[in-house]
Amino acid sequence: DVKVTQSSRYLVKRTGEKVFLECVQDMDHENMFWYRQDPGLGLRLIYFSYDVKMKEKGDIPEGYSVSREKKERFSLILESASTNQTSMYLCASSRLETQYFGPGTRLLVL
Amino acid sequence: ELKVEQNPLFLSMQEGKNYTIYCNYSTTSDRLYWYRQDPGKSLESLFVLLSNGAVKQEGRLMASLDTKARLSTLHITAAVHDLSATYFCAVDNQSNYQLIWGAGTKLIIKP
Repeated sequence: DVKVTQSSRYLVKRTGEKVFLECVQDMDHENMFWYRQDPGLGLRLIYFSYDVKMKEKGDIPEGYSVSREKKERFSLILESASTNQTSMYLCASSRLETQYFGPGTRLLVL
Repeated sequence: ELKVEQNPLFLSMQEGKNYTIYCNYSTTSDRLYWYRQDPGKSLESLFVLLSNGAVKQEGRLMASLDTKARLSTLHITAAVHDLSATYFCAVDNQSNYQLIWGAGTKLIIKP
């Protein structure tokens, strides 16, 4: 079974803090993705990576950065958290068509 | 720009009934995905539809794809409470395996 894990299920941070969300997959997938999910808006792609050290912006990259130093690990960074970044963050990985998702991190920024 | 629309966004139905969720998309694509999300949990892949006329079934769920109409349907037969979840469709934008997602259909099945 493909396993995608995320470092935290729940996080509470203060405005202005730097936040790190980590995602690890164990299936040697080339592609990894970070989404945020908000009610009524579906999933919106923040960034994705198709190889180590490679990244591409998704639909809503503003306020976020990413890092992929190893194939199995893809990190999402909020440089200075803001209240409008309160959301559910989902990581996914894929080799071909199907994306496999982690359990999600629910982030609250106060 | 590829857009994906699902309808309805919310559906409450009785057990034993049949219903269909629709997924329309705006530009050419030949891959469509259906996912399920239970409350508080992550997304689980249900179906991958890879060609025009593709039909896949698992249990009480059946998905089909009409690439000419740019439409996929997820049909629920004789619904049971365990099928209560949010269902998402997503379309491959044919670039680096990115997916464009519908807003999701929250399905509640009442006993």
